[in-house]
Amino acid sequence: ETGVTQSPTHLIKTRGQQVTLRCSSQSGHNTVSWYQQALGQGPQFIFQYYREEENGRGNFPPRFSGLQFPNYSSELNVNALELDDSALYLCASSSFSGGAYNEQFFGPGTRLTVL
Amino acid sequence: RKEVEQDPGPFNVPEGATVAFNCTYSNSASQSFFWYRQDCRKEPKLLMSVYSSGNEDGRFTAQLNRASQYISLLIRDSKLSDSATYLCVVNKGRVNTGFQKLVFGTGTRLLVSP
Repeated sequence: ETGVTQSPTHLIKTRGQQVTLRCSSQSGHNTVSWYQQALGQGPQFIFQYYREEENGRGNFPPRFSGLQFPNYSSELNVNALELDDSALYLCASSSFSGGAYNEQFFGPGTRLTVL
Repeated sequence: RKEVEQDPGPFNVPEGATVAFNCTYSNSASQSFFWYRQDCRKEPKLLMSVYSSGNEDGRFTAQLNRASQYISLLIRDSKLSDSATYLCVVNKGRVNTGFQKLVFGTGTRLLVSP
């Protein structure tokens, strides 16, 4: 296990509703990234948080937003849910201390179904 | 065109076989390269990093060809436990800034049978 936890594990919502997904980073990690994985596809980058600020975003509309807290945990919020938002949402944490790549460790994901 | 392209498979091989996966990427500014493994309904896990000089980890060998923008993974002596989806991944982050954007291929499914 990586030490990255996510809640809830499963969620069912209806179109138009709002949802908040939560992620606790691995101990010692200060960066959190969120990914969306649709069935049969690879994960797609939503955004990354570092020092409580969004420091990079993928091709997702503004109704996808996030937060990072002082303890480095994070939330992903999705407003006005659409059927296509049904997917596995993965959180990944890493530590940045200068230099190049620091491995991202993924949580088990939250499976969201929008009806 | 997708940024990272892979053959989705599935690749059905018997135990003990050697199997090779390939992937191509479109952005020549990509910083680093990886293979991840994802078991059914589980999270992706880093299998190995990929370097131009090639690198080996037990039965697994990965190779990067920057000129051709091509990444490969070779699995020798396949085990039943190797059955999984193998994701080709490119990091498009900014070096020394902490920003990392992992771009995943769709994955190649491997099924190893007895």
